[in-house]
Amino acid sequence: DAKTTQPPSMDCAEGRAANLPCNHSTISGNEYVYWYRQIHSQGPQYIIHGLKNNETNEMASLIITEDRKSSTLILPHATLRDTAVYYCIVRVGNAGNNRKLIWGLGTSLAVNP
Amino acid sequence: GAGVSQSPRYKVAKRGQDVALRCDPISGHVSLFWYQQALGQGPEFLTYFQNEAQLDKSGLPSDRFFAERPEGSVSTLKIQRTQQEDSAVYLCASSFLREGPQHFGDGTRLSIL
Repeated sequence: DAKTTQPPSMDCAEGRAANLPCNHSTISGNEYVYWYRQIHSQGPQYIIHGLKNNETNEMASLIITEDRKSSTLILPHATLRDTAVYYCIVRVGNAGNNRKLIWGLGTSLAVNP
Repeated sequence: GAGVSQSPRYKVAKRGQDVALRCDPISGHVSLFWYQQALGQGPEFLTYFQNEAQLDKSGLPSDRFFAERPEGSVSTLKIQRTQQEDSAVYLCASSFLREGPQHFGDGTRLSIL
């Protein structure tokens, strides 16, 4: 079973920041938080991942709480092309042979004009 | 492009037929994964290869499912005696580092009539 919980859906106005929450209260010390998104009829797209510190790349920012029990993905200026299902996944970093991703249902983000 | 390529993009088969789905990972990627995604659900892990070795096949739903990666690059997922419940999108992903982000193809949509 997925170790994360996310709201099933969210709306965001075009040009505004989209803040997508994720709860992972049972996360272990060696587990990373990964974010992927899936646009309709396409394969999942990697966005960002982190362990403890906040991370930023050209796509998004990831804010992880100090206790690591929750995180927020921030799309700073959402566009219509950001409409997608966003998945938050926890995964063991030093995974040995167990590198599979366990997916929940994600958050369906609708960016509105 | 240089992404993960899957073929065919769509496959329709009659119940009882055998099918073969192909995945061309990103060149040089060591790890390769297969996932199954039912409509409205997140992907579910099927199997994992590191080079040519199949290190985890715990997600394969039955012995009708078989995957191979004989030369450590291209992989084939074979389903024998297909059944209607096999209808789904089959996703392939690869990663360069053993713990690196997984990069996905756009999947093969399999419909069993």
